[in-house]
Amino acid sequence: QVQLVESGGGLVKPGGSLRLSCAASGFIFSDYYMFWVRQSPGKGLEWVSTIANNGRAKYYAGSVKGRFTISRDNAKNSLYLHMNDLRVEDTATYYCAKDLGAHDGTGSYYFFDSWGLGTLLTVSS
Amino acid sequence: EVVLTQSPATLSLSPGDRATLSCRASQSISYYLAWYQQRPGQAPRLLIYDASNRATGIPARFSGSGSGTYFTLTISRLEPEDFAIYYCQQRSDWPPLTFGQGTRLDIK
Repeated sequence: QVQLVESGGGLVKPGGSLRLSCAASGFIFSDYYMFWVRQSPGKGLEWVSTIANNGRAKYYAGSVKGRFTISRDNAKNSLYLHMNDLRVEDTATYYCAKDLGAHDGTGSYYFFDSWGLGTLLTVSS
Repeated sequence: EVVLTQSPATLSLSPGDRATLSCRASQSISYYLAWYQQRPGQAPRLLIYDASNRATGIPARFSGSGSGTYFTLTISRLEPEDFAIYYCQQRSDWPPLTFGQGTRLDIK
């Protein structure tokens, strides 16, 4: 079955950097668009970034554009989020999520049908 | 950016009741809407996609309807495990992919 396991969260000072990772298994990773979605403590869900199945197309929320970089390694079935210039408002649980459809199969849906348990990032001085 | 507004913010019902949750889009999004359930301490779970299609393994008591700017999620008979927060999400006009602010379904 599909499994997504995030790692790399922790406590970082404002202005700092961090890289989140997501290890995927149970599906053909290279067939699917992947996403990062975050949730600030006690708040709702916020889409952060999307990467195409081949890694060529990348999209970002305005709040993180220019500071965050999404990437993937299809040989390692891994998704990453490189975060620079971190701000207090980036404090959240970061979820890795998989697209509902295979891009070259049924087509990408840009809906999230599998999620990891999340990794908590705290940005504080 | 498509803004999704969910109502009510909180819905208090009893097990066995019928629940109707709403999601309104700031512009037409055709049928490109999904619903998610999030239980406390858990990741969200996809319930409905493209407005009315149940995701794999979702019980038949969950149904979705609507198109354009107005959508509803109906839970026909509430089970104890259905008390959670529900979010809608659109994929019609992105980036950004956007979520509603959520509806909390509480036990009365």
